[in-house]
Amino acid sequence: DAKTTQPPSMDCAEGRAANLPCNHSTISGNEYVYWYRQIHSQGPQYIIHGLKNNETNEMASLIITEDRKSSTLILPHATLRDTAVYYCIAHTGDSSYKLIFGSGTRLLVRP
Amino acid sequence: GAVVSQHPSRVICKSGTSVKIECRSLDFQATTMFWYRQFPKQSLMLMATSNEGSKATYEQGVEKDKFLINHASLTLSTLTVTSAHPEDSSFYICSAATGLAAFDEQFFGPGTRLTVL
Repeated sequence: DAKTTQPPSMDCAEGRAANLPCNHSTISGNEYVYWYRQIHSQGPQYIIHGLKNNETNEMASLIITEDRKSSTLILPHATLRDTAVYYCIAHTGDSSYKLIFGSGTRLLVRP
Repeated sequence: GAVVSQHPSRVICKSGTSVKIECRSLDFQATTMFWYRQFPKQSLMLMATSNEGSKATYEQGVEKDKFLINHASLTLSTLTVTSAHPEDSSFYICSAATGLAAFDEQFFGPGTRLTVL
């Protein structure tokens, strides 16, 4: 799996957009970019994934650069409940292949 | 989305005893389950991968005789921490995948907090 690099922490104001960057410069052509988050003392929660195109779902948007070396997770209107550690993982999507979690970004949403 | 449960959610035990943690996929069949461990303020560390009906594959540095994994059915995997010691105190999390799709999301359980006295 490609190594990913994320800032250790970020903060944003409630109601504003939270933009979480991730670098994955060694990503291979068959690896997706996955985002998970972990709220304190809970199991990780899947957010979104993408390969080349930008993706949007009810939780977030994922913007992947054309060269696929970096991506940004966007929470359009952050709430206090979005305070969590966010993990960016490059992965082939094969269920038999393990997810390797890095240190992630600790997002603090301020009131 | 699919639901994965873990039991118990918390367990406190004495040093030297064994503890069993269950991971169940409630509304789907999971051919593959993964076990992770997480120490305070650290990331999740993969311990082992278990496939239904076969032996688990352990990550380097994880003692297979200490952390016994059984994946006896498509909806249940168990992790037994044998002869637990205080350094085994951690948050244990499982995840499950169906193994049927080209893209196959892993669904995570809520975790089990183990405290060894």
